[in-house]
Amino acid sequence: DAGVIQSPRHEVTEMGQEVTLRCKPISGHNSLFWYRQTMMRGLELLIYFNNNVPIDDSGMPEDRFSAKMPNASFSTLKIQPSEPRDSAVYFCASSLTGGPRNEQFFGPGTRLTVL
Amino acid sequence: GENVEQHPSTLSVQEGDSAVIKCTYSDSASNYFPWYKQELGKRPQLIIDIRSNVGEKKDQRIAVTLNKTAKHFSLHITETQPEDSAVYFCAASISNDMRFGAGTRLTVKP
Repeated sequence: DAGVIQSPRHEVTEMGQEVTLRCKPISGHNSLFWYRQTMMRGLELLIYFNNNVPIDDSGMPEDRFSAKMPNASFSTLKIQPSEPRDSAVYFCASSLTGGPRNEQFFGPGTRLTVL
Repeated sequence: GENVEQHPSTLSVQEGDSAVIKCTYSDSASNYFPWYKQELGKRPQLIIDIRSNVGEKKDQRIAVTLNKTAKHFSLHITETQPEDSAVYFCAASISNDMRFGAGTRLTVKP
């Protein structure tokens, strides 16, 4: 398995633009997580899905952020409009809930820079 | 919700010495405690984990201990090597809701 796949790996955009981050979880995994990592706030859980259904989005910072999971193999995190304070590394992770452990496998991350 | 605190934020040891990182959690319902290692510019990767029905687990040079009563758990790395230098994150999880500590930057000096 190729592991969790994220795209793009790097994104530079201007304030006010829409940004869409993409994630493909490990095949067979039924839970998907979006995290944001910054020096100031560390690793924050934004939202997670179980069987494509959003379970907890309390970590989504504000209405500018939205996430979808239309099927078991694809998820998006959208920021519209983007702001400089959204600059961070965004990680997607997936896991198999109900298995012997809840290990989350992280993707390589998307480094977002908003100018 | 769950709150995880991690100490110290930075740790510097001499090669061959031991390193200990400690975490506390707030929600007694948490039942899964993984530790992740993140090298510079890379993704977090699981190095060891422990479930709430186990008090200690060891894997070669790393070990984790869990005290459910006190709600704290620790990572122990023995015989540290320069390649152990990284940021280490603890986490506590209830079902899928996983909360991470702020991280410990470990530097192993050769």
